[in-house]
Formats: sequence, structure tokens, C-alpha cells
Amino acid sequence: AQSVTQPDIHITVSEGASLELRCNYSYGATPYLFWYVQSPGQGLQLLLKYFSGDTLVQGIKGFEAEFKRSQSSFNLRKPSVHWSDAAEYFCAVGANFGNEKLTFGTGTRLTIIP
Amino acid sequence: DAGVTQSPTHLIKTRGQQVTLRCSPKSGHDTVSWYQQALGQGPQFIFQYYEEEERQRGNFPDRFSGHQFPNYSSELNVNALLLGDSALYLCASSLGRGREQFFGPGTRLTVL
Repeated sequence: AQSVTQPDIHITVSEGASLELRCNYSYGATPYLFWYVQSPGQGLQLLLKYFSGDTLVQGIKGFEAEFKRSQSSFNLRKPSVHWSDAAEYFCAVGANFGNEKLTFGTGTRLTIIP
Repeated sequence: DAGVTQSPTHLIKTRGQQVTLRCSPKSGHDTVSWYQQALGQGPQFIFQYYEEEERQRGNFPDRFSGHQFPNYSSELNVNALLLGDSALYLCASSLGRGREQFFGPGTRLTVL
């Protein structure tokens, strides 16, 4: 069975500082990996996805993530955060073709301080 | 181009009642998935519909059922509501066996 662990429940970062959110997954085959962002009371917006190929993927809003098979990780990074980045971030792993069920982590809440 | 839409936005029910939530997929999409997101948790997969049939189901009881219509819209029905069913219910759509699910804003269900 697939699973996702996001070890950081809450992270606080100063505006302009760099950010890294951790994600570890468990899946028996080649995973399809996603990062979603959720603002309060809103649905999920896809930031980026990994299916195959280059292990460093670029997403929207200046985010990137690196797939490391040896560490079963897919950490999200941003070089300089903006106040508007404050939100809940979810890592997810998908099964066949990436269109079957998504299994989500419990999320990391990001707070930005001035 | 409208994205995924869900109705209603909010809903309050009492224990034992039944509820129906609705979802219209993004234009051109034919697959709909439903997720339950309890407060402070990540979304949990309920089931997925394709060609009007349930294609995959998560670990939810039979009280949770669904339907997909010929126009690809979908309904989620929950019978005999429990307090623990209070959650944000998210609908996601995708194209066939495509690789990206687009989420709607969700329906907030409160069971009293």
C-alpha cells in the first residue's frame, strides 16, 4: 500500500528566506508524486508533479521539488518565500498512470513572518 | 473555461440523515474522484467514477455511494450520517487515465 509522511506539521519562515518542506513516500513501483497547496477554506491547487525523467521538477509560483529514489523523498523548495505563500501544503503519491487514487500526507502548515 | 465546481458550499445535517453532494468536472474531463478531508488531515480517497461506473474505492463504508451521469457530473451520497462524517468533501476531475487531478473548492459538511 502506498503512504506519504510529512514530518513537519508546522513551519514558520521569515519573508524572503528559503523554504524546504519534507515529504517521504512508500510505494512498491515507480511513484507519481505531487505537491498541492491549500489556502484556508479552499480546494487544492497543484504546484508541481513528477512522473519520470528529470528528478528536479519546476512548478508554479517559483516552487521546485527534487525526487530522490534512494531516500524515497520528494522535498519541496522555494528560494525566497512571499507572504502569500502562507498556506497548507500537501504531498501526494499516485498509483498507475497517476490517475488512480491519490494518497496524501497529513500536510505542513506554513506561516510567514515579516 | 470553468474549473471543477461543487455544490452546495456548506451543509448542516443531523445524525442519521442522508446527504447528496454534487460535482461538475472541468470541461473536457470524464473522470471524477471524491475525497474526504477531516479537519487537520490530508484528503482521503473515497472512490473514483469513469464511464458512469465506480472504478476504484477507498476504505469507506457502504454508507458512502456515488453516481456519475452521462454528462460526467457526479454525486456523492452519504446515508445514516455520523458525527465523524463532518469534513470537507473534495471532488477532483481528470481526463481518462491522464496524470493530473484538478480539485474543486469542496463542500463543507457539518453533522450535528
